[in-house]
Amino acid sequence: GENVEQHPSTLSVQEGDSAVIKCTYSDSASNYFPWYKQELGKRPQLIIDIRSNVGEKKDQRIAVTLNKTAKHFSLHITETQPEDSAVYFCAASIHGNEKLTFGTGTRLTIIP
Amino acid sequence: GAGVSQTPSNKVTEKGKYVELRCDPISGHTALYWYRQSLGQGPEFLIYFQGTGAADDSGLPNDRFFAVRPEGSVSTLKIQRTERGDSAVYLCASSLNPQGLTFFGQGTRLTVV
Repeated sequence: GENVEQHPSTLSVQEGDSAVIKCTYSDSASNYFPWYKQELGKRPQLIIDIRSNVGEKKDQRIAVTLNKTAKHFSLHITETQPEDSAVYFCAASIHGNEKLTFGTGTRLTIIP
Repeated sequence: GAGVSQTPSNKVTEKGKYVELRCDPISGHTALYWYRQSLGQGPEFLIYFQGTGAADDSGLPNDRFFAVRPEGSVSTLKIQRTERGDSAVYLCASSLNPQGLTFFGQGTRLTVV
């Protein structure tokens, strides 16, 4: 089955700087890659996603890039703010098998 | 409803007891998923319903776990003979269709003592 690895497990960034979280996946059939933000005790919230027919997607301060050849994808957050502090999870799924396989998460802390 | 609703939010039960966890998906969403999240880990897939039928139950850890969705809306996850290792947050999610965006509920925190 699919295996998703996520790095780093923790990340501290000065407010205003950029943060990058990276994930790799094992199954070349995976074609959908969402990112979720989870604050303590709260539900995972979808913040951005990308499908395998595009290489990059942006939404304001957040962007995701995908390299299908290398089987890795990354989340980029620019101009970080204290409210960006949370645990971020990447995930992957295979079309026709809609379950998401999640990474182990990255705890992002924005230092004011 | 406005979002995926799960009840109860917290459940403490004794080892060996039976529990039921309820999920009310977003209205009109045909796909429903159950995941389990242990402390410090990402959600782990349990089962996926498309309509009333379980399209993929490959994540259920053993036969003590069972889920139903009899009318294609509300789903119940049932755990028999609970064990301490079953303690986790059980998350329900739904999407408009299998290729749609997946939205999660707040989860039920199950503690087996």
